[in-house]
Amino acid sequence: AQSVTQLDSHVSVSEGTPVLLRCNYSSSYSPSLFWYVQHPNKGLQLLLKYTSAATLVKGINGFEAEFKKSETSFHLTKPSAHMSDAAEYFCVGGATNKLIFGTGTLLAVQP
Amino acid sequence: SQTIHQWPATLVQPVGSPLSLECTVEGTSNPNLYWYRQAAGRGLQLLFYSVGIGQISSEVPQNLSASRPQDRQFILSSKKLLLSDSGFYLCAWLSGQGLNYGYTFGSGTRLTVV
Repeated sequence: AQSVTQLDSHVSVSEGTPVLLRCNYSSSYSPSLFWYVQHPNKGLQLLLKYTSAATLVKGINGFEAEFKKSETSFHLTKPSAHMSDAAEYFCVGGATNKLIFGTGTLLAVQP
Repeated sequence: SQTIHQWPATLVQPVGSPLSLECTVEGTSNPNLYWYRQAAGRGLQLLFYSVGIGQISSEVPQNLSASRPQDRQFILSSKKLLLSDSGFYLCAWLSGQGLNYGYTFGSGTRLTVV
């Protein structure tokens, strides 16, 4: 069975400090993994995706994620948070026709 | 170009009334289509997916149904809405292959059942 676990429901950082949003997955197959962001009252936007081409994936807005098979993790990072990064972030996994969503992490950025 | 359309953007419906949300895609054929729901304070839950016309898979038992009358059209329906049906509904489309593989989401429908 597949599962995606986001370890933190809320993360708060100060502007200019690093961001770390944690995600662990479980899959019997080599998974495709994604990070999506959802700003208030807006749709989902793809930040980045892993499809086995490279373990370190760079996305939009300075975000990146590293696929670590030994740790079954796909954590999302950004070196320096910006106020506009405040949103809800979803880790998503899929190895068949279906996507499995994590429960989301709400990122707050303090001035 | 490939696009996905979902409407309406917001909807307020009384308990017991019917529901119809529509999703259409352009620029592709025979897409895999999905309906997700995000309830307040919770993550996204897969409701239905379809790999072709008339082919619907239901992931969770609920008060909703889905239909795919045309290749690029996916409809979410209910005969009688419940308060618990309130939430944010997203249509999604699986597209591409290899490095271009990914899901594209519609802009969502915020449904409030009153």
